[in-house]
Amino acid sequence: DSGVTQTPKHLITATGQRVTLRCSPRSGDLSVYWYQQSLDQGLQFLIQYYNGEERAKGNILERFSAQQFPDLHSELNLSSLELGDSALYFCASSAALWGAGYTFGSGTRLTVV
Amino acid sequence: AQTVTQSQPEMSVQEAETVTLSCTYDTSESDYYLFWYKQPPSRQMILVIRQEAYKQQNATENRFSVNFQKAAKSFSLKISDSQLGDAAMYFCAYRRSLDFGNEKLTFGTGTRLTIIP
Repeated sequence: DSGVTQTPKHLITATGQRVTLRCSPRSGDLSVYWYQQSLDQGLQFLIQYYNGEERAKGNILERFSAQQFPDLHSELNLSSLELGDSALYFCASSAALWGAGYTFGSGTRLTVV
Repeated sequence: AQTVTQSQPEMSVQEAETVTLSCTYDTSESDYYLFWYKQPPSRQMILVIRQEAYKQQNATENRFSVNFQKAAKSFSLKISDSQLGDAAMYFCAYRRSLDFGNEKLTFGTGTRLTIIP
């Protein structure tokens, strides 16, 4: 157990639908990052929150949004889903210390049918 | 923008032998961090080793070591005494250091390592 909890582990939904992925960071970590990993590809950075505020944004689609709540958990909302959104979505957290590596969650496997 | 390149999509090695995975990166920064992550079939991302750019000494973690060549912007991973459990996808990653609160990682496309019994 890495200490970063992602739910659900698997999600199957239809095109056009909306889903919410949840992430609870490791205790004490203030930064939460979301990454998307399509089949057999590297991880693409989507968005980062630090202590409740958005700090960095990557190639995140307008159909996607995220937020970090006062208790530091984060949610990634994906709407108007398309087949190409099928991927593994990772959440990671860090203490935002210099050089600190990330701790990744186990990911949410999203399948859009 | 920083980029990370892993030119070996697949590698294989005999059990107990040594294998080296390559990674190059492009950056104009002088201070940064480099990482190797392992992704086994379980899909969990596991930190293998990290290197601070300001350190000349190569990082080592048990059977894993790196060859960090800052001038050449090269960061290879050496796995000694390969074990079956080392079979995984390995990702090289880069992070700027002087950007507090914005420490996103830039990943390479990965190298799939197969261990041959």
